[in-house]
Amino acid sequence: GQQLNQSPQSMFIQEGEDVSMNCTSSSIFNTWLWYKQDPGEGPVLLIALYKAGELTSNGRLTAQFGITRKDSFLNISASIPSDVGIYFCAGQLRNNDMRFGAGTRLTVKP
Amino acid sequence: GAGVSQTPSNKVTEKGKYVELRCDPISGHTALYWYRQSLGQGPEFLIYFQGTGAADDSGLPNDRFFAVRPEGSVSTLKIQRTERGDSAVYLCASSPDSGGPHQYFGPGTRLTVL
Repeated sequence: GQQLNQSPQSMFIQEGEDVSMNCTSSSIFNTWLWYKQDPGEGPVLLIALYKAGELTSNGRLTAQFGITRKDSFLNISASIPSDVGIYFCAGQLRNNDMRFGAGTRLTVKP
Repeated sequence: GAGVSQTPSNKVTEKGKYVELRCDPISGHTALYWYRQSLGQGPEFLIYFQGTGAADDSGLPNDRFFAVRPEGSVSTLKIQRTERGDSAVYLCASSPDSGGPHQYFGPGTRLTVL
């Protein structure tokens, strides 16, 4: 099946720094999504992207749907301690077919 | 309002035993999903329900896994003859329409097979 390659695997940054992570696939997706997962919780949707080239913001988060429909990135500006967690990209082909990346573990040092 | 709830939060069982994991979706959500998340990995799709019927069970790894949603609300994931490799967090998600991207996840059930 389709495989999503998410990088980096982990990041250690200082509070206030900007963060960038990305996801690539060998397959085309109709929708790209970014989720955040805290320990002991399920993933929570941060941003959904529906059109190639779309750039969407949610507060300090910005994500883009790549032109080729095979990639997406997520930027977090001015990181704060509560940004700590695991960020997952997900690509959706059909309504019920969502594939997740392996996640980027973010650590923010105060 | 209440989110997706899953019980139990933790389940420890012995190899070969049968387990049932329960999911209570958000009231009124017609679509329900089960995922399995292994350590260090993203969720992996298992099965999708639209109403009472399993619209897509292509992610179930083998015939030891089965899920039901008899009244279109609560769902139960059933695993027979558990194996150590079944150890993972089992996540349930629901969405208000037929498979839209806005899936709301529960906290998961951590299954450990000894």
